[in-house]
Amino acid sequence: SQTIHQWPATLVQPVGSPLSLECTVEGTSNPNLYWYRQAAGRGLQLLFYSVGIGQISSEVPQNLSASRPQDRQFILSSKKLLLSDSGFYLCAWSQLQETQYFGPGTRLLVL
Amino acid sequence: AQSVTQPDIHITVSEGASLELRCNYSYGATPYLFWYVQSPGQGLQLLLKYFSGDTLVQGIKGFEAEFKRSQSSFNLRKPSVHWSDAAEYFCAASRNDMRFGAGTRLTVKP
Repeated sequence: SQTIHQWPATLVQPVGSPLSLECTVEGTSNPNLYWYRQAAGRGLQLLFYSVGIGQISSEVPQNLSASRPQDRQFILSSKKLLLSDSGFYLCAWSQLQETQYFGPGTRLLVL
Repeated sequence: AQSVTQPDIHITVSEGASLELRCNYSYGATPYLFWYVQSPGQGLQLLLKYFSGDTLVQGIKGFEAEFKRSQSSFNLRKPSVHWSDAAEYFCAASRNDMRFGAGTRLTVKP
């Protein structure tokens, strides 16, 4: 069966520091991968999606970037965090354009 | 433009009462439809999905949803709510990309 992992689960970072969140998927090949952000009490905002290694599409221009160095690994990064980057970050995978399955999320607090 | 609307931001029901969460979509053609549930601090869990066929879809945890093409709706129902159902519920639709509603927060009164 397929599983999706995210780490870390929680992160507290100072403003201006770098960020690296990792997402890995097991049990499937060539998945579509997604990064979402969920601000407190808000819905989901799609940040990036990837249909293959090295292929990244950005939905919202901002302080963040994404990379897909391996088929089942998706990384969300920032060179300098802003206060507004605080939130709950969710990774998801799907096959083609069908059902998305979500990871447990990473809570990021930027101070 | 394609969109998903959940008209109710917050719903409170008593334990044991029935539940209906509303979802409307705006798409040129019928999309795939989904309901997810999110407990605090957790990821989203798929409750059920509709691709085609029978318009009444059964999901996990005793939930069901009915697709109504004429109303562009995909409402989620449960006949008897349990305290553990308190969570945030998201409706989603997908043609080439998935769009989520803003969510409905469910509170369950004892």
